[in-house]
Formats: sequence, structure tokens, C-alpha cells
Amino acid sequence: DVKVTQSSRYLVKRTGEKVFLECVQDMDHENMFWYRQDPGLGLRLIYFSYDVKMKEKGDIPEGYSVSREKKERFSLILESASTNQTSMYLCASSRPRLVTDTQYFGPGTRLTVL
Amino acid sequence: AQSVTQLGSHVSVSEGALVLLRCNYSSSVPPYLFWYVQYPNQGLQLLLKYTSAATLVKGINGFEAEFKKSETSFHLTKPSAHMSDAAEYFCAVYNNNDMRFGAGTRLTVKP
Repeated sequence: DVKVTQSSRYLVKRTGEKVFLECVQDMDHENMFWYRQDPGLGLRLIYFSYDVKMKEKGDIPEGYSVSREKKERFSLILESASTNQTSMYLCASSRPRLVTDTQYFGPGTRLTVL
Repeated sequence: AQSVTQLGSHVSVSEGALVLLRCNYSSSVPPYLFWYVQYPNQGLQLLLKYTSAATLVKGINGFEAEFKKSETSFHLTKPSAHMSDAAEYFCAVYNNNDMRFGAGTRLTVKP
């Protein structure tokens, strides 16, 4: 079974703090994704990566950055957290260029910024 | 740009009743379509996917969906709801490395 793990299930941070959300997958997938999930808005793509050290902006990259130093690990960084970044963050991975393949999701990190 | 519309943010059914969750898509090319389920405090899990083979797709837990090109729809059904089906369901459309999710439909199952 594919396993995607996220470093924290719940996180509480203060405005202005630098926040790291970590995601690790164990299936040697090239593709990794960070989504944000908000009620009524579904999932919105923040960033994705097709390979190590490669990143592409999604629909809502403002206020976020990412790091992919190793194939299995994809980190989401909030340089200076703000209250409007309070949300559920979901990481996913998939195999490359197989359009019918599935994105496998981690359990999510619920981030609260005070 | 492609998009997905899920009709009804909340659906409530009685246990044993038919489940019908609606999804309409917009895509300029033949799409790949997915249904995902999210149980409370968990990530998304694939229920089923349409990849241009059979138009009626069977998934896990007794769910199925039918691709109807003329209606641009991919509605999710289950003949008899179970309490364990209570969750949020997301429809998604994929093309050209771009996956778009609907806003989600929360399914409540009443005893």
C-alpha cells in the first residue's frame, strides 16, 4: 500500500512565525503535491513537484514556498504565517506521466494561525 | 480551463436508501474523472475513476458512477446507504497534468 505521511495532524502557530509542513511518501513517486482544503472551496493546489529540486506554482502559491531535496520528501513552508492561512493542508503523490494514475493523499495537517 | 461542479454541498439520506451525488464537469478535451471520499479527520481516498474505458465505473464500498458525455456528468451512486458511508465526497477532473476538484458534498446517513 502507498503510504503518504504528514509530520503533524494538528498545528497551532502565531502570526509571523515560519511554519514547516513535511510530507513523506514511500512509493518512489516522482510527483508530489500540496493542497489547501477550505469548506465550500474544495481542494486548491498550492505547489507541485515533478522531480527532485523541481517545483511549479499551483493556483494559490502566494505566501507559500516549497522544498524538494529528496524524492520522497516534499515540504511546504509558510515564511510568515498569517491568520488567513488557517486551513487543512493535504499532501499527495502520484506516478509521473501516467494520466490515469491516482493521487494518494496523506491524512492532512490542520493548521491554526492565531 | 476545466472545472467541476458538485450540486449540493450537503446530502442527507436514510440508511438503506439510494445515494446520489451529482457531478458535472467542463473540459475541452475528453477528461479523466475521479471520485474521492474523505472520512472525518482523514485524507482523501480514491473511490473510483473513469479513464475512457467503460462508461459505468464500479468502485469500492459498493459505489459506482456513470460517465455521460452528452450531459457532461459523472454522478456517483450507491443503491443502499450504510451508516459508514457518512463522509465528504469530492469529484475531480484531470487533463494535461491539471487536476481540478469540486467543492465537495457532505453525505449524512440517518438511522
